[in-house]
Amino acid sequence: AQRVTQPEKLLSVFKGAPVELKCNYSYSGSPELFWYVQYSRQRLQLLLRHISRESIKGFTADLNKGETSFHLKKPFAQEEDSAMYYCEPNAGKSTFGDGTTLTVKP
Amino acid sequence: GAGVSQSPSNKVTEKGKDVELRCDPISGHTALYWYRQRLGQGLEFLIYFQGNSAPDKSGLPSDRFSAERTGESVSTLTIQRTQQEDSAVYLCASSLMGDGNGYTFGSGTRLTVV
Repeated sequence: AQRVTQPEKLLSVFKGAPVELKCNYSYSGSPELFWYVQYSRQRLQLLLRHISRESIKGFTADLNKGETSFHLKKPFAQEEDSAMYYCEPNAGKSTFGDGTTLTVKP
Repeated sequence: GAGVSQSPSNKVTEKGKDVELRCDPISGHTALYWYRQRLGQGLEFLIYFQGNSAPDKSGLPSDRFSAERTGESVSTLTIQRTQQEDSAVYLCASSLMGDGNGYTFGSGTRLTVV
C-alpha cells in the first residue's frame, strides 16, 4: 500500500530561518508525490508536485529514492508560510500524511 | 464550474438527525473523494469514486455514513442519526485521473452536531 509518514506534527521556526518539512514514503513502483498546503481559513490547495520540479513560493521538494523521502524545503521562512502542510503519495486514491503544522515566528 | 463547490458551507444539526452534504466536482474530473478533518487533526479518508467503478468505501467510519455519485457529477454524503463525534469539516476533492495535476479541494462543509 502507498503510505507516507510526516514525522513532525508541529514545527516552529523563526522568520528568515531555513525550514524543512519531512515526508517519507514506503511503497514500490514509481512514486508521484505532492505537497498540499492549508492556510488559516482557506481551502486545502496543491503547493507543488515532484514531477514538475518546480519552486512555488520559494519552496522546493526533491524526490530522494535512496532515502525514500520527499522533504519540503525553503531557505528563508516567512510568517505567511505558517500553515498546515500535507504530503501525498499519488493523485489517485491515497491516504494523506497526518500533516505538519508550521509556525513561523517573527 | 471553475472549482469544486460544496454546500452547505456550515451546518448545525441536532444529535440524532440526518444530514446530507453536497459536492459539485470540476466538470470532467472522473475521480471524487470525501475526507473528514476534525479540529486540529489531519485528513481522514472516507470514500472514493472513480468513473463508473464501484466506490471504495473503506474509509467510512460506520454504517451511518453513506455516499452516492451520479455518473461523473454531483456527489452527496449522508450521515444518519448524527452523533457529536461527527462534528468536523467534510472536504470533497476531485481529480482528473492520470494527469498528475493532483486534487482540487472544495472549501468544505463545517458540520456541528449539538
